[in-house]
Amino acid sequence: GAVVSQHPSWVICKSGTSVKIECRSLDFQATTMFWYRQFPKQSLMLMATSNEGSKATYEQGVEKDKFLINHASLTLSTLTVTSAHPEDSSFYICSARDPNRGPSEQYFGPGTRLTVT
Amino acid sequence: QKEVEQDPGPLSVPEGAIVSLNCTYSNSAFQYFMWYRQYSRKGPELLMYTYSSGNKEDGRFTAQVDKSSKYISLFIRDSQPSDSATYLCAMTTTGNTPLVFGKGTRLSVIA
Repeated sequence: GAVVSQHPSWVICKSGTSVKIECRSLDFQATTMFWYRQFPKQSLMLMATSNEGSKATYEQGVEKDKFLINHASLTLSTLTVTSAHPEDSSFYICSARDPNRGPSEQYFGPGTRLTVT
Repeated sequence: QKEVEQDPGPLSVPEGAIVSLNCTYSNSAFQYFMWYRQYSRKGPELLMYTYSSGNKEDGRFTAQVDKSSKYISLFIRDSQPSDSATYLCAMTTTGNTPLVFGKGTRLSVIA
């Protein structure tokens, strides 16, 4: 299957600081990438849909000024958690859609575990 | 009623057993159906992808979609301890809409 990477895999930051998470499609160009959040033993919660060259579409209840998404190229999307607080601690996962495969196939990155102290 | 219902388990089976995982859904417009496997602290891995109704087989895995009943299944034959993971069903209406996920079923295969 298609390969999606995320960096970093694990990050600890202090309350009030910002953290940037990168999502890259390694062997395909992704016009659309998705950002999810997952709490322990729960399913994935879609945060936003990121389209290359345009503004991200955020799900209801997700603060777009807090979770900044930039999809600057066909292989890279970034999520910046601004002014992080302990309640932002979670597992953040991105996925990308390969336009050369099935119309709805999404490939996920390995996830980034964020801990805010 | 949630759009996608999935029994969270946990489900525990002996090695070699046949495992049946299921999801029901309410939106008759769903056309694309997927099963993902997620190991602890890892991203989901796409296992099976099916368009519309029917069966699809890949090795020990078989996916079934019954749109008339709004019911999808994943069967795992000859289950192995390495199959122990959370299995998530996902579906969507068109190629450009986000996936809707079930809550996931935690499976343990005991050697």
